[in-house]
Amino acid sequence: SQKIEQNSEALNIQEGKTATLTCNYTNYSPAYLQWYRQDPGRGPVFLLLIRENEKEKRKERLKVTFDTTLKQSLFHITASQPADSATYLCALDDSGYSTLTFGKGTMLLVSP
Amino acid sequence: EPEVTQTPSHQVTQMGQEVILRCVPISNHLYFYWYRQILGQKVEFLVSFYNNEISEKSEIFDDQFSVERPDGSNFTLKIRSTKLEDSAMYFCASSEGASGGDTQYFGPGTRLTVL
Repeated sequence: SQKIEQNSEALNIQEGKTATLTCNYTNYSPAYLQWYRQDPGRGPVFLLLIRENEKEKRKERLKVTFDTTLKQSLFHITASQPADSATYLCALDDSGYSTLTFGKGTMLLVSP
Repeated sequence: EPEVTQTPSHQVTQMGQEVILRCVPISNHLYFYWYRQILGQKVEFLVSFYNNEISEKSEIFDDQFSVERPDGSNFTLKIRSTKLEDSAMYFCASSEGASGGDTQYFGPGTRLTVL
């Protein structure tokens, strides 16, 4: 069966450090992988999209890698800030029709 | 910056009642979606809609659910006879295209509580 797995335990880091979140998937062949941020009681907010032929994508302090052989994406936040504390969701579109399938998300807590 | 809006922010209803959740997608977007998130669980796709028709729907989207674009701006999700297990956050989203590489913009959600 198809699965998207993200670290279920919260990631606690200190301000200024780099946070690295993992998304692993099985039985998918996605052309795209997306990362979203979700704050409590709010809707997901799009952060980055990476295509299967891209190894790495950057946007300001964010970096995403995509390894289709390992079936894994890593999401990095450099110079993390307490305002980065949120749940980060990985999402795949395997259908080609933009029906996103989300992972459960990893909560990131950045302490001052 | 344009955004997706949803009303109401919180809806409380009795089991068996009908509810209509409303969304105003971003104005130049052509593709619309509903997702739901049961408390503590992942965001799940319900349905996508384009050109006044359902494009895709999940197994969750059974006969008690329906969607409509009643006018040029609103997009609605109707649940005909609510069940306790329909209690969740419901998110509307929209995108310019649906190639898979198009960003979906989500609304703030409607929290549905079925008693």
